[in-house]
Amino acid sequence: AQKVTQAQTEISVVEKEDVTLDCVYETRDTTYYLFWYKQPPSGELVFLIRRNSFDEQNEISGRYSWNFQKSTSSFNFTITASQVVDSAVYFCALSEAEGAQKLVFGQGTRLTINP
Amino acid sequence: DSGVTQTPKHLITATGQRVTLRCSPRSGDLSVYWYQQSLDQGLQFLIQYYNGEERAKGNILERFSAQQFPDLHSELNLSSLELGDSALYFCASSAPGSTDTQYFGPGTRLTVL
Repeated sequence: AQKVTQAQTEISVVEKEDVTLDCVYETRDTTYYLFWYKQPPSGELVFLIRRNSFDEQNEISGRYSWNFQKSTSSFNFTITASQVVDSAVYFCALSEAEGAQKLVFGQGTRLTINP
Repeated sequence: DSGVTQTPKHLITATGQRVTLRCSPRSGDLSVYWYQQSLDQGLQFLIQYYNGEERAKGNILERFSAQQFPDLHSELNLSSLELGDSALYFCASSAPGSTDTQYFGPGTRLTVL
């Protein structure tokens, strides 16, 4: 069965600090997809990134970067120079490549950026 | 704005009642997914429809049912409501490709009193 673990329940940092959100996953599939979603206080789920299991290149988008390591089954998310607007709950998710593409979510990490 | 719409935004009802949540996918998307977000269970997949047909079922209770109509909008019906059904219900849609990203609607917050 697929499983996603986000061990950090809550993180609180001061603005401009860098912060890394951890995500560890379990799957028997050889091909799968990994995602990060952001849930701001307003409640909607906002897609941030999708990664294919066969592409281990790290990705950077502005202040956001993602480190995918298949060897450790991890897909960590780093925010550089954090801002108050980054405060949200962040979810890591996994889906299989074949069959139903349901998302299996981690429990989420609540990130608070203090001014 | 993801392009996925959900109505109503909030719903307050009593135990034993029945409600219908509505979702309109992004233009061109054929797949619709329903998820439930509750404090104790987190975000859980309920059911998926693809072009009108049920494709996959998750942890959906027998009291819950869904359908996708010819215009591709979807409805999630919740009946014999219990206090524990209070949650945020999300709809997501994805494009026809089998591995496309799911984009989520704003959710419907259901409160059962």
